[in-house]
Amino acid sequence: DQQVKQNSPSLSVQEGRISILNCDYTNSMFDYFLWYKKYPAEGPTFLISISSIKDKNEDGRFTVFLNKSAKHLSLHIVPSQPGDSAVYFCAAYPNSGYALNFGKGTSLLVTP
Amino acid sequence: SQTIHQWPATLVQPVGSPLSLECTVEGTSNPNLYWYRQAAGRGLQLLFYSVGIGQISSEVPQNLSASRPQDRQFILSSKKLLLSDSGFYLCAWSSQGGNSPLHFGNGTRLTVT
Repeated sequence: DQQVKQNSPSLSVQEGRISILNCDYTNSMFDYFLWYKKYPAEGPTFLISISSIKDKNEDGRFTVFLNKSAKHLSLHIVPSQPGDSAVYFCAAYPNSGYALNFGKGTSLLVTP
Repeated sequence: SQTIHQWPATLVQPVGSPLSLECTVEGTSNPNLYWYRQAAGRGLQLLFYSVGIGQISSEVPQNLSASRPQDRQFILSSKKLLLSDSGFYLCAWSSQGGNSPLHFGNGTRLTVT
């Protein structure tokens, strides 16, 4: 049962434009959300997180938005760069849980 | 700073052979440790996690097992590999306490033939 869903398997964006990656979740007990970036043949690297008590968190070019009522979060990358081309995973922790639940990932391609 | 080492990077094993993947963490004490698997076309699936030496929780029934013989060592094993065990295996650690980001190793690409 996939509790974290990334419904777009791939996304292509031009360099300099905004990339928006979306994520939906079904478990209302999730209270902490993270985004990871993964290059081929490497482990995922942590990008940015957001707690359920917030609706926005920024770190440089990366901003994560959380809409709890819609059980939806998104990652905005502005401006997009070719080096951002990677697979992005959305993940969520349930409160008082250890198991980080991952989505299936969205492959982002940033073209020059 | 903390580092995580995972080996080997790639492994080709015949069906029915045993498996041992090792992961060690440096620069932190008493971490939570995790084994994830990424199968082709699928997301990251949690296999095992450990909050302390000798404490292993299994998330998915399978023919794999995990052990934590030392505080910063986590081992993934199988007595007899199946074709379906092929995938990309990732070890990760996090700090104790809730809502800590996981930090992943570079993974092991396992192909069972």
